[in-house]
Amino acid sequence: DTAVSQTPKYLVTQMGNDKSIKCEQNLGHDTMYWYKQDSKKFLKIMFSYNNKELIINETVPNRFSPKSPDKAHLNLHINSLELGDSAVYFCASSRRTSIQETQYFGPGTRLLVL
Amino acid sequence: GDSVTQMEGPVTLSEEAFLTINCTYTATGYPSLFWYVQYPGEGLQLLLKATKADDKGSNKGFEATYRKETTSFHLEKGSVQVSDSAVYFCALSDHRGSGGGADGLTFGKGTHLIIQP
Repeated sequence: DTAVSQTPKYLVTQMGNDKSIKCEQNLGHDTMYWYKQDSKKFLKIMFSYNNKELIINETVPNRFSPKSPDKAHLNLHINSLELGDSAVYFCASSRRTSIQETQYFGPGTRLLVL
Repeated sequence: GDSVTQMEGPVTLSEEAFLTINCTYTATGYPSLFWYVQYPGEGLQLLLKATKADDKGSNKGFEATYRKETTSFHLEKGSVQVSDSAVYFCALSDHRGSGGGADGLTFGKGTHLIIQP
């Protein structure tokens, strides 16, 4: 069984389009995250959600809008795609406790904006 | 702010060689430390972790010890295999970050390890 899944795995689109990436976890975790990995493999946190509430928003352009319909899902919608949005986007999940629990990552969505 | 510095690769070794990948960190609080591994075309997998000073994390022959005095978490393996070829990320999360346990991980830039037969 896949613990953290993302769809689609690959996404090729034109500049200016709007697209969504979906993430689901079946680990019973209450916290979910989005990370961006650039072409040099550098990973940076974008958002975190706990029980559907936004916790962390790391100065991401407001063209990016995360939505969490329930604890098990965190989707990422991107408006007016730009060339610089091309990257691999990873979803992750964990439990929220007094210490930072292990985060479990999805397989990634490879976004290419042409 | 928090940061992680790790040696950048690629690091190329022969099979059965000893591996060390250095990682040092800066954190305002008292972080947990992690090593994640990314195999080609895949997501990140947790390799090992340590949550307090002097803890040693270990998995699949890899080890790392949380050294508060030197703010380091170096990854070691006694005898590497071709199948260990991957990108290795050192990461931290500060317990007292603004996210209160929902903080994102701060990653190093990754070390690309290549093991030759």
